[in-house]
Amino acid sequence: GAVVSQHPSRVICKSGTSVKIECRSLDFQATTMFWYRQFPKQSLMLMATSNEGSKATYEQGVEKDKFLINHASLTLSTLTVTSAHPEDSSFYICSAPIAQGVGYEQYFGPGTRLTVT
Amino acid sequence: QKEVEQDPGPLSVPEGAIVSLNCTYSNSAFQYFMWYRQYSRKGPELLMYTYSSGNKEDGRFTAQVDKSSKYISLFIRDSQPSDSATYLCAGAGSYQLTFGKGTKLSVIP
Repeated sequence: GAVVSQHPSRVICKSGTSVKIECRSLDFQATTMFWYRQFPKQSLMLMATSNEGSKATYEQGVEKDKFLINHASLTLSTLTVTSAHPEDSSFYICSAPIAQGVGYEQYFGPGTRLTVT
Repeated sequence: QKEVEQDPGPLSVPEGAIVSLNCTYSNSAFQYFMWYRQYSRKGPELLMYTYSSGNKEDGRFTAQVDKSSKYISLFIRDSQPSDSATYLCAGAGSYQLTFGKGTKLSVIP
């Protein structure tokens, strides 16, 4: 299967600082990537869709000024959590699709665990 | 009603058992479905991708889709302790996936 990487895998930051998370498709190109967050013992919640060459689209309730997304190239999307607060502590996961039949296989990164102190 | 319903479990089975994991969905626009395995503190790993009614087999895993009843299943044969994880089903009409809550499975040696 295809490989998606994320960096860093774990980050601890102080309240009020910003954190950047990178998502890379290693062996395929992705014009679209997705960012999710996952709280303990819960399913994945889609935050936003990252589009190469255009603005990201955000799900209802997700603050676009707080979660900045930049799809810099066909293999890289970044999520910046600005002015992080403890309630932003979560597991952030990205995914990238590959066309398959009538739909898309979605491959996920290993996730980034963010802890805001 | 959530678009994808999945019993969260937990489900505990002895090693070697056949495991049946199930989801129902309500969105008629869903065209394809996936099953993911997620170990604790890891990203989801794609196990099966299907888009037509019927069965699809890959090793010990069989995915089953019944579009008429909006029911999807994943069967795991000869379950192993390494299969202990949370299993997520998902449906999609285009790019965007809609996930079930996940079923936590424990395979006891």
